[in-house]
Amino acid sequence: DTEVTQTPKHLVMGMTNKKSLKCEQHMGHRAMYWYKQKAKKPPELMFVYSYEKLSINESVPSRFSPECPNSSLLNLHLHALQPEDSALYLCASSQDRSGQTYEQYFGPGTRLTVT
Amino acid sequence: AQKITQTQPGMFVQEKEAVTLDCTYDTSDPSYGLFWYKQPSSGEMIFLIYQGSYDQQNATEGRYSLNFQKARKSANLVISASQLGDSAMYFCAMKGSARQLTFGSGTQLTVLP
Repeated sequence: DTEVTQTPKHLVMGMTNKKSLKCEQHMGHRAMYWYKQKAKKPPELMFVYSYEKLSINESVPSRFSPECPNSSLLNLHLHALQPEDSALYLCASSQDRSGQTYEQYFGPGTRLTVT
Repeated sequence: AQKITQTQPGMFVQEKEAVTLDCTYDTSDPSYGLFWYKQPSSGEMIFLIYQGSYDQQNATEGRYSLNFQKARKSANLVISASQLGDSAMYFCAMKGSARQLTFGSGTQLTVLP
């Protein structure tokens, strides 16, 4: 099973709201990722968790707050977003062993609109 | 630094014909992996095929094959017998010593009936 699930599929939120995006995988992967993707552009990496610890933060504004409660779950907490944060947010997971290269499996994404 | 270049913003192919999507890369890492992903309009990124830099043979997965030319630093995707469902955005990506994937700008493929 190579499935990564994400909820919700669509989210509309105001600039003062607080919301969370959720991601789940049951492939035993120990690396999980958040990407942001604008229309017609490639995904941009936001965060990487390796063995439930944040290993990469690509200078993402603090209004985005990631959380990895356990090896299967990844959350992205949103607060005081701006309209330019409207995008498709993709979660991915992969095996994670030093010196090895593994493919990432992506979820279907959450389409976020900030009004 | 790693860089992936996809020079074809859009491609058209007739149904049942083969199509090649171009990808060139640049890296100083001796060991790296190359990936192709398909993204339909629904948004999900679907993993298609992987090629390791030390793999002697070109990777194949069903109708997908990767034409890997290491000296030219190219990793073109060949789709044989195109189907209408192949219409999508296709991204080439690379992973070297860094933990993250570097994506190209993508190629929008349209399969014509």
